[in-house]
Amino acid sequence: DAKTTQPNSMESNEEEPVHLPCNHSTISGTDYIHWYRQLPSQGPEYVIHGLTSNVNNRMASLAIAEDRKSSTLILHRATLRDAAVYYCILLALNFGNEKLTFGTGTRLTIIP
Amino acid sequence: DAGITQSPRHKVTETGTPVTLRCHQTENHRYMYWYRQDPGHGLRLIHYSYGVKDTDKGEVSDGYSVSRSKTEDFLLTLESATSSQTSVYFCAISDSDSTEAFFGQGTRLTVV
Repeated sequence: DAKTTQPNSMESNEEEPVHLPCNHSTISGTDYIHWYRQLPSQGPEYVIHGLTSNVNNRMASLAIAEDRKSSTLILHRATLRDAAVYYCILLALNFGNEKLTFGTGTRLTIIP
Repeated sequence: DAGITQSPRHKVTETGTPVTLRCHQTENHRYMYWYRQDPGHGLRLIHYSYGVKDTDKGEVSDGYSVSRSKTEDFLLTLESATSSQTSVYFCAISDSDSTEAFFGQGTRLTVV
């Protein structure tokens, strides 16, 4: 499976944008890039995903490099509730055999 | 919220006893997953299922077995619990590779 590399931790001030990087230099052409986050004492929750083009939803934006070897999750205006561990995951398209494989993620701390 | 329920939510058991954790969904999703999460680690995949009676091993499957006799239920069994299996267990469901996965609230298992 293709691997991802994320910083162990990041800090950001409340109400400022946050850019969470992810490197995936061995990504294959059919790998989707997924982001999940895990709030304290909860199960992970889906944030966003994309394949080639940048994506936006109500929670965040996903910027994907042209060569797809890296991506950035953008939280446009961080709140205290965004403090969580963020996971960047590559989901291989192996029809009938999909699985989510988590790394250790980035622990995001929001400073009031 | 997605209809996914884990039971029990908390369990304490003795070394050597069998334990079964249940994941129940009401979404009719094809894929179901069992993960464990330990301090300092991200989620690690134990087993997953891509359909009724179709299961496969994840990265930490030793000591665990699973069964999926119907779409809505995915059972994780520890045949003979060991202290190293003390962990928080998460179940997840997804419909396909291009849609989000939904996670349960977790089961905290303590083996004494």
